[in-house]
Amino acid sequence: DVKVTQSSRYLVKRTGEKVFLECVQDMDHENMFWYRQDPGLGLRLIYFSYDVKMKEKGDIPEGYSVSREKKERFSLILESASTNQTSMYLCASSGGGSKADTQYFGPGTRLTVL
Amino acid sequence: QKEVEQDPGPLSVPEGAIVSLNCTYSNSAFQYFMWYRQYSRKGPELLMYTYSSGNKEDGRFTAQVDKSSKYISLFIRDSQPSDSATYLCAMSGGRGSTLGRLYFGRGTQLTAWP
Repeated sequence: DVKVTQSSRYLVKRTGEKVFLECVQDMDHENMFWYRQDPGLGLRLIYFSYDVKMKEKGDIPEGYSVSREKKERFSLILESASTNQTSMYLCASSGGGSKADTQYFGPGTRLTVL
Repeated sequence: QKEVEQDPGPLSVPEGAIVSLNCTYSNSAFQYFMWYRQYSRKGPELLMYTYSSGNKEDGRFTAQVDKSSKYISLFIRDSQPSDSATYLCAMSGGRGSTLGRLYFGRGTQLTAWP
């Protein structure tokens, strides 16, 4: 079974802090994604990566950056957290071949910025 | 106009009912169609995966794709309280054009009460 793990289930930070969210997948997947999920807005793509050291902006990259130094790990960084970044953050991964577009999600990190 | 439209509900049905969940989309390049189920405070999990038009059945679940109308459906027969969750439709245009990116509906919240 594919396993995607996220470093924290719940996180509380203060405005202006630098925040790191870590995601690890164990299936040698090429593609990794970061989303945020808010009531009424659904899933919104922040950044994705289809290879080590590669990154692509999603629909809402402002205020975020990412890092992919190893194939299995994809980090989301909030350079200076703000209250409007309070949200559920979901990481996902997908592999190659005919199932390239099937994404597997982690359990999510609920981030609160005070 | 959002690329994928999904009525957020909420939908409330008695146990044993047949449930119909639907999405419409605007991009005719979409070829892969998925339904994800998300329980409260969990990450989405893949429920059904369909390529191009037609029907696919898996137990009590049937996924239907009508590419000519740009319309997809998920039917749940004999609904159970354990089906209570948010259901998200997702789709993509294939690996070459989208690098594995999925386009999600906002999700429909379903409650099946005993």
